[in-house]
Amino acid sequence: KAGVTQTPRYLIKTRGQQVTLSCSPISGHRSVSWYQQTPGQGLQFLFEYFSETQRNKGNFPGRFSGRQFSNSRSEMNVSTLELGDSALYLCASSPGGPQGGYTFGSGTRLTVV
Amino acid sequence: DQQVKQNSPSLSVQEGRISILNCDYTNSMFDYFLWYKKYPAEGPTFLISISSIKDKNEDGRFTVFLNKSAKHLSLHIVPSQPGDSAVYFCAASAPGAGSYQLTFGKGTKLSVIP
Repeated sequence: KAGVTQTPRYLIKTRGQQVTLSCSPISGHRSVSWYQQTPGQGLQFLFEYFSETQRNKGNFPGRFSGRQFSNSRSEMNVSTLELGDSALYLCASSPGGPQGGYTFGSGTRLTVV
Repeated sequence: DQQVKQNSPSLSVQEGRISILNCDYTNSMFDYFLWYKKYPAEGPTFLISISSIKDKNEDGRFTVFLNKSAKHLSLHIVPSQPGDSAVYFCAASAPGAGSYQLTFGKGTKLSVIP
């Protein structure tokens, strides 16, 4: 079966711009989570959605937002980009939560210049 | 405040020997622990997990040990193979709303030398 698909794979944006990243979960998975990976901080939790509802949110500023559609696809948006937002953004899907097993996509590499 | 710590950024092991990757945590609410492996340019891949009601879980060459009193877990890989060379992340979750997020350590880069 198809895995978690993230688009685009690479993105270069300018400071101050906004960006939207997309994630298509494994078919049947209703939980989608987003993580930011940077060399200094490792993987950090952004937010998690289940059936179009945000169930939990990490410690990130309001510039980071997300949503989930009725087909479980999810998008995350970052507004007013800063240089420090350069990172690998990973999406993970699960039937319902961590104990159901999270499957990660390959990520979107965002570079802010 | 790092709640999950992997104090060894890197580890080198000879092929065929045992690899032991360590992880410490500070949040006593964590009740589920996972190990992920990550190759460059790929997302993390789930390896093995353990619930806090157990102290050991095995899956083939991989065994995870949990010492709740010490807030410590370890991943043993026996025997180590060159294909095991990757970054290994320890992760944890707490019950309730915390079960919807994983808290990761910063990873340990394992190099298995042929």
